[in-house]
Amino acid sequence: QSVLRQPPSVSGAPGQRVTISCTGSSSNIGAAYDVHWYQQFPGTAPKLLIYGDNNRPSGVPDRFSGSKSGTSASLAISGLQAEDEADYYCQSYDYSLSGSVFGTGTKVAVL
Amino acid sequence: QVHLMQSGAEVRKTGASVKVSCKTSGYIFTNFYIDWVRQAPGEGLEWMGRFNPSGGSTNYGQRFHGRVTMTRDTSTSTVYMELSGLRHDDTAVYFCARGTSTSAGWYFDFWGQGTPVTVSS
Repeated sequence: QSVLRQPPSVSGAPGQRVTISCTGSSSNIGAAYDVHWYQQFPGTAPKLLIYGDNNRPSGVPDRFSGSKSGTSASLAISGLQAEDEADYYCQSYDYSLSGSVFGTGTKVAVL
Repeated sequence: QVHLMQSGAEVRKTGASVKVSCKTSGYIFTNFYIDWVRQAPGEGLEWMGRFNPSGGSTNYGQRFHGRVTMTRDTSTSTVYMELSGLRHDDTAVYFCARGTSTSAGWYFDFWGQGTPVTVSS
């Protein structure tokens, strides 16, 4: 039911750079709606990581960055750390659904 | 500081209703929307709808039309989400989140701790 598609998992060694894709369509990301990203640890509420495609709330390390092009967006984590092991979700607006939509979620593993 | 405090865990029978509360503090209640998002066990996030505390208007997700009702109590800065006709697949953790608008959508900058709802036969 999620209209935004993400890879189920990505992994990397400490210090490496990983990217998570978020693929949408012409009714959401492709229609120039903003993309936002959240980090979620097991048993806790999601936490805002990136808003408005590429903006970090205060307190979020600059190792996290966002980008968008066409009908897709990406979250990059550089200098991967063990504490980055979590689930990550993208979110946008879809005009055909007249509401917010989330990505399918990606689990990041630090090897 | 902004804080969203949700009510405790609930257990309901199939066909029943559940009402979850989200008490806000630390900001002007009527200045921000409150959205509801749920997460079934082992699954991803699903947007349910949003509520405007200023005028009481709602925007419900298509999957929940006719089953969900969002209301408010301005005297306590609390938003409520009631889901009726519960089914087993409504078993999930329900989150409220503060919605902040941008020029092209909105995002959720503060979240409640979540309310587990279990639906059994």
